[in-house]
Amino acid sequence: DTEVTQTPKHLVMGMTNKKSLKCEQHMGHRAMYWYKQKAKKPPELMFVYSYEKLSINESVPSRFSPECPNSSLLNLHLHALQPEDSALYLCASSYSGTIEGETQYFGPGTRLLVL
Amino acid sequence: AQSVTQPDIHITVSEGASLELRCNYSYGATPYLFWYVQSPGQGLQLLLKYFSGDTLVQGIKGFEAEFKRSQSSFNLRKPSVHWSDAAEYFCAVGAVAGFQKLVFGTGTRLLVSP
Repeated sequence: DTEVTQTPKHLVMGMTNKKSLKCEQHMGHRAMYWYKQKAKKPPELMFVYSYEKLSINESVPSRFSPECPNSSLLNLHLHALQPEDSALYLCASSYSGTIEGETQYFGPGTRLLVL
Repeated sequence: AQSVTQPDIHITVSEGASLELRCNYSYGATPYLFWYVQSPGQGLQLLLKYFSGDTLVQGIKGFEAEFKRSQSSFNLRKPSVHWSDAAEYFCAVGAVAGFQKLVFGTGTRLLVSP
């Protein structure tokens, strides 16, 4: 089973709202990733968790707050977003995040619209 | 620094015709190369990957790719395209710098005409 699930599929929020995106995998992977993808662009890495520790924060604004409660779950907490944050948010997982050539498996994404 | 170039933004192919999508990479060491496909509004699905060994790699849905070190290329091919292949295709190189990171190309949108 190479499935990564994400909820919700779609989310509309105002600039003053607080919401969370959720990601789950049951492949026993120890690395999980958040990507942001704008229309007609490739995914851009936001955060990497490896063994439940934040390994990488690609200079993402603090209005995005990741959380990794355990090795199977990854959340992205959203607060005071801007309209330009509207995008497809993709979650991915891989074996450990530290081995060359690891395959990343992606979820279907959450389509976020900020009004 | 690692980089991936996909020179074709759009490609239109007739259904049943052959397909080749180009990918060139820049990486100092042995590259780990991937092709992903993305249907509109969906996540990325892995088509195939190259780590080492045989330079012709078979993937899902009838796709294959050939690694050519001398040309720094990893082109994706399919002998006969189906209408359901219309999607965005991303080539990526896997790099490790304390953590595993994918560097994506800008993508090629495949359109399939009847």
